[in-house]
Amino acid sequence: ETGVTQSPTHLIKTRGQQVTLRCSSQSGHNTVSWYQQALGQGPQFIFQYYREEENGRGNFPPRFSGLQFPNYSSELNVNALELDDSALYLCASSSNRRRFTPSTDTQYFGPGTRLTVL
Amino acid sequence: AQKVTQAQTEISVVEKEDVTLDCVYETRDTTYYLFWYKQPPSGELVFLIRRNSFDEQNEISGRYSWNFQKSTSSFNFTITASQVVDSAVYFCALTAPPGAAGNKLTFGGGTRVLVKP
Repeated sequence: ETGVTQSPTHLIKTRGQQVTLRCSSQSGHNTVSWYQQALGQGPQFIFQYYREEENGRGNFPPRFSGLQFPNYSSELNVNALELDDSALYLCASSSNRRRFTPSTDTQYFGPGTRLTVL
Repeated sequence: AQKVTQAQTEISVVEKEDVTLDCVYETRDTTYYLFWYKQPPSGELVFLIRRNSFDEQNEISGRYSWNFQKSTSSFNFTITASQVVDSAVYFCALTAPPGAAGNKLTFGGGTRVLVKP
């Protein structure tokens, strides 16, 4: 058990809708990263939040957005859902000392949210 | 650009056999971290090991061992005397350098290990 929790576990949406996924980080961690894992592939980095600010972003369109709250929990929002957004969404928590510096801390993952877009 | 390649997509073994998973990486950085994660059918990624680029010592943890060869950019993982509970997808990953990409992990495509009784 990593102490990282995600909700909901499963979600079914239709194309064009909007979705919000939630993540609670491990106690003592100030950084949350989000990854998308399509079926049969490795996880792809979406973005990372450090102390409520975005700390890096992967190659995802602006309709993927996020938030981090003062307690370091985080949300991933996806607007105008497309069929290709169907995937397992994983969040990971870690501890960084400063923005834009290599983290020596390991990222610990939650159980994921499986999103299906019909 | 960072890249991690796991050439083996699926390996099937009989219980008690040894299995070695290959991982080859590409990076221009001199300081980086390599990781292995296990993903059982439940979906959660379970951390197994982190290795600093300056530490080339091999490591053993129970039935797991890791061979880091900086000269060939490889970080291979061996499961000795495999068990059915080892059945999972295993991912090798690499940290990105500091900058706009933050501290993201770059993952390989994963190797599915099936251990048959």
